[in-house]
Amino acid sequence: DVKVTQSSRYLVKRTGEKVFLECVQDMDHENMFWYRQDPGLGLRLIYFSYDVKMKEKGDIPEGYSVSREKKERFSLILESASTNQTSMYLCASRPPAGQGDQPQHFGDGTRLSIL
Amino acid sequence: GNSVTQMEGPVTLSEEAFLTINCTYTATGYPSLFWYVQYPGEGLQLLLKATKADDKGSNKGFEATYRKETTSFHLEKGSVQVSDSAVYFCALSDRTGRRALTFGSGTRLQVQP
Repeated sequence: DVKVTQSSRYLVKRTGEKVFLECVQDMDHENMFWYRQDPGLGLRLIYFSYDVKMKEKGDIPEGYSVSREKKERFSLILESASTNQTSMYLCASRPPAGQGDQPQHFGDGTRLSIL
Repeated sequence: GNSVTQMEGPVTLSEEAFLTINCTYTATGYPSLFWYVQYPGEGLQLLLKATKADDKGSNKGFEATYRKETTSFHLEKGSVQVSDSAVYFCALSDRTGRRALTFGSGTRLQVQP
């Protein structure tokens, strides 16, 4: 089974801090994604990566950046945390498109609170 | 752009009741359609999927049929259990470009004994 591991389940940070959320997958997937989940809004795509050092903006990239130095690891960075970034963050991975329309596999999420 | 609309919750049912959660979508081309489930305190798990028109996805007693003519993918279960209490997300994946998922807002299901 695919395992997507997010480094923290709960995180509390202060406004203005630089915050790192880490995600590791063990299936050698090319594609990795970061979403945020907010009540009534479902999941919204922040950034995705289709290969090492390759990244593209999703629908709500403002205030975030990402890093993909190794295939198995995809980091989400909040450059200067703000209270409106308090949310549940979910990482996902999937095989490349050439392997058919495979589903994404999700981590358990990181609930981030910015005070 | 792509979009997914789900019925608003919460949906509250008694055990063994019939469940329908409505989902309609807007997309270019022929997307793949998914239902994901999120149990309390957990991430999302794939429940079922359908990749072309008239396909029926099924798993754990849940079913959904890809209806291209009505652009719908409604989730059904004949007899719900307390353990089915969770949030259900309908999602689509287009076959071009980034292949990220577009999600509906989620529907919370509460099943009472």
